[in-house]
Amino acid sequence: NAGVTQTPKFQVLKTGQSMTLQCAQDMNHEYMSWYRQDPGMGLRLIHYSVGAGITDQGEVPNGYNVSRSTTEDFPLRLLSAAPSQTSVYFCASSSSWDRDNEKLFFGSGTQLSVL
Amino acid sequence: KNQVEQSPQSLIILEGKNCTLQCNYTVSPFSNLRWYKQDTGRGPVSLTIMTFSENTKSNGRYTATLDADTKQSSLHITASQLSDSASYICVVTDSWGKLQFGAGTQVVVTP
Repeated sequence: NAGVTQTPKFQVLKTGQSMTLQCAQDMNHEYMSWYRQDPGMGLRLIHYSVGAGITDQGEVPNGYNVSRSTTEDFPLRLLSAAPSQTSVYFCASSSSWDRDNEKLFFGSGTQLSVL
Repeated sequence: KNQVEQSPQSLIILEGKNCTLQCNYTVSPFSNLRWYKQDTGRGPVSLTIMTFSENTKSNGRYTATLDADTKQSSLHITASQLSDSASYICVVTDSWGKLQFGAGTQVVVTP
């Protein structure tokens, strides 16, 4: 049972470089999302998707792009990396948007450093 | 200002002892409150979910309480084990489905 799989686990970029963080889930979940986690702060929502072909912005979307061509995959793209994007990134998914019952399943995270 | 405040920021407890973590929130209107456990280098894992009408919920040695009137929740860990060493995150959902995450309480259980 793989659940939510994120790759890579670690990444170091230079300022201005671009890259894609991969996220895949095998639970046939409709809802997927990306968060960043910074020291001393709660997780913050970057982008989310309620189904294939549908994406929307979260709390901190600037500098990031997403797409959802399949139910399984939800990649996060950094277009031109900046030191402020140094963080730990988590992908999460859930089966529905029944707010009082749905459980978010998180991947193991990608630690990104931008020099 | 974060609408979900957790205390203490960190704590150290001896194996076998109990501890209680606090979560105060200002999120309104309220839908539900969750507690997650996050091991070092891993993603958060759900422990409990409570709605407005629930004031206590247990998951093994973890017991969460909720007072929706005072907007406070606590997570009690009974007979702590070394595997309980982790960050515990309080998450409050508003009526529109937006999640607000606390910064977490780092718990270290020592032998």
